Amino acid sequence: KAGVTQTPRYLIKTRGQQVTLSCSPISGHRSVSWYQQTPGQGLQFLFEYFSETQRNKGNFPGRFSGRQFSNSRSEMNVSTLELGDSALYLCASSRLRQETQYFGPGTRLLVL
Amino acid sequence: TQLLEQSPQFLSIQEGENLTVYCNSSSVFSSLQWYRQEPGEGPVLLVTVVTGGEVKKLKRLTFQFGDARKDSSLHITAAQPGDTGLYLCAGGPGTYKYIFGTGTRLKVLA
Repeated sequence: KAGVTQTPRYLIKTRGQQVTLSCSPISGHRSVSWYQQTPGQGLQFLFEYFSETQRNKGNFPGRFSGRQFSNSRSEMNVSTLELGDSALYLCASSRLRQETQYFGPGTRLLVL
Repeated sequence: TQLLEQSPQFLSIQEGENLTVYCNSSSVFSSLQWYRQEPGEGPVLLVTVVTGGEVKKLKRLTFQFGDARKDSSLHITAAQPGDTGLYLCAGGPGTYKYIFGTGTRLKVLA
């Protein structure tokens, strides 16, 4: 069974731009969560989607948004990028919401 | 706010040595997970513990969940260079899905 895939793997943007990251969960998994990982703050929860609905949201500004499609694939969007948004963005999927989550390789975003 | 503190933050040891990493919180978690992450990759799940006092072994790795389900430890016996990586504990699931610990960066020297 294929693992969680994330595209693109690397991205360079400039301040003020927006970016969209994609996550394809493991086949049969319906829950997708997004995390931001930085050296200073560690791994922090962004939001979780299940059945195309956002179920939980972490303490991030409204510039961070996401959605989930009927095939469980998910996208996250960051608008008006700031230097501090440079991070590894990780997607994790699980079959159901309370079950073990499996991480993708992440998208490394660099904001210049 | 739920927090998970890991200690030590950094650990550099020689191949063959034993080590223990700790994960502590003032909050109770329904389950606790341990992950290993290599540079530029996502965390890989090592184990999930759900019962207070539970001990799980994975080859040379021994995981323990505290009786009160607030803390956990990871013990590695006879560390090998392949054990090098960032070790993360995570408690949950809860409102913020999983709360991740601050991480322990382990380097095992050959």
